[in-house]
Amino acid sequence: NAGVTQTPKFQVLKTGQSMTLQCAQDMNHEYMSWYRQDPGMGLRLIHYSVGAGITDQGEVPNGYNVSRSTTEDFPLRLLSAAPSQTSVYFCASSYIYPNTGELFFGEGSRLTVL
Amino acid sequence: DAKTTQPPSMDCAEGRAANLPCNHSTISGNEYVYWYRQIHSQGPQYIIHGLKNNETNEMASLIITEDRKSSTLILPHATLRDTAVYYCIAPVPWDGGSQGNLIFGKGTKLSVKP
Repeated sequence: NAGVTQTPKFQVLKTGQSMTLQCAQDMNHEYMSWYRQDPGMGLRLIHYSVGAGITDQGEVPNGYNVSRSTTEDFPLRLLSAAPSQTSVYFCASSYIYPNTGELFFGEGSRLTVL
Repeated sequence: DAKTTQPPSMDCAEGRAANLPCNHSTISGNEYVYWYRQIHSQGPQYIIHGLKNNETNEMASLIITEDRKSSTLILPHATLRDTAVYYCIAPVPWDGGSQGNLIFGKGTKLSVKP
């Protein structure tokens, strides 16, 4: 049982480059989300999805795009990376809604934008 | 904004009980309180959640005051591996209360010392 899998684990980008952080879960969870964590800070919600074809913005959505074409996958796209997007990114999923049970997290993707 | 308040740091001696407080005076009557922890730079891990009754599982106990304005997470016999940041979370509903995202604050850094 893999749980929530994030790739890549580490990435270095130059300002202006684009990339996609991948997130996949094998638990048939409807809810998926992306958080970012900066040094000494808590996690901030970027985007979330309550099912295939449905996405919405969280606390800090600017500079990021998401889509949810399947239940299993929830990729996070950076269209034009900026140094302010240097952070650790966590993907999470839960069976229905995160306030009704356990939220499962991936191991994180560490992104550096030069 | 996070709806909870926690001390930034606490120490605990190994083998003793760790009692982590959380204030959530603005929580509404149908909102659960959740506790997660984050060990080093790993993804957060669910610990426990409760509404108004005390809860216990294999990891911890959760004591919620009768007025629901505060709660305490208890690790009965803390070990060095319990050193982590502990987050107390009250979900932010997106439809008036039945569904909600988890918004993480900065949490309490618990240091368990030998």
